[in-house]
Amino acid sequence: EPEVTQTPSHQVTQMGQEVILRCVPISNHLYFYWYRQILGQKVEFLVSFYNNEISEKSEIFDDQFSVERPDGSNFTLKIRSTKLEDSAMYFCASSEATRDRVFFGPGTRLTVL
Amino acid sequence: EDQVTQSPEALRLQEGESSSLNCSYTVSGLRGLFWYRQDPGKGPEFLFTLYSAGEEKEKERLKATLTKKESFLHITAPKPEDSATYLCAVPNQAGTALIFGKGTTLSVSS
Repeated sequence: EPEVTQTPSHQVTQMGQEVILRCVPISNHLYFYWYRQILGQKVEFLVSFYNNEISEKSEIFDDQFSVERPDGSNFTLKIRSTKLEDSAMYFCASSEATRDRVFFGPGTRLTVL
Repeated sequence: EDQVTQSPEALRLQEGESSSLNCSYTVSGLRGLFWYRQDPGKGPEFLFTLYSAGEEKEKERLKATLTKKESFLHITAPKPEDSATYLCAVPNQAGTALIFGKGTTLSVSS
């Protein structure tokens, strides 16, 4: 069964550095998302992306964050200048046009030192 | 104000001891209620989407039901491998994002 994949599985970075988290959504899906989960907390929405543009973003998704779909398969999340509080699991997700099932990837654990 | 509330926060069961998890929501014009399973350090795994009161869906030992204000995830004769955190989520008004509850952590011992 098709799956959402994410790389890397774990990223360690220094505060102030830029990181790019990568995702390959399920191939026939049209909606793409990033969520994050700080350890011990609930899953939080960051941004949704449809038709090559952001369709919604949360308060968390400030100017330090950006998303891109550079080609027909990849979907990336960039954090320009990481902060300690950006340490979390970042999940990519995708859904079909009907959006009646949203599938999540395995996550990237980001650790900011 | 939380729009999705799950209870209990944690539940310990003996193998074979059936129980139910609760998810209550306050969003108006429900566009679906999603259940996920999450294992430690992993991404949420899709289980069910329910759309209307009275709807039921089943998968192995799990059955999800929906009323106008809440959903239940019934676990029948659970096994240790059912141990996980079960998450409930509803779409926002625009349908562009899922709002998650904090989850119920289920532990099943043999």
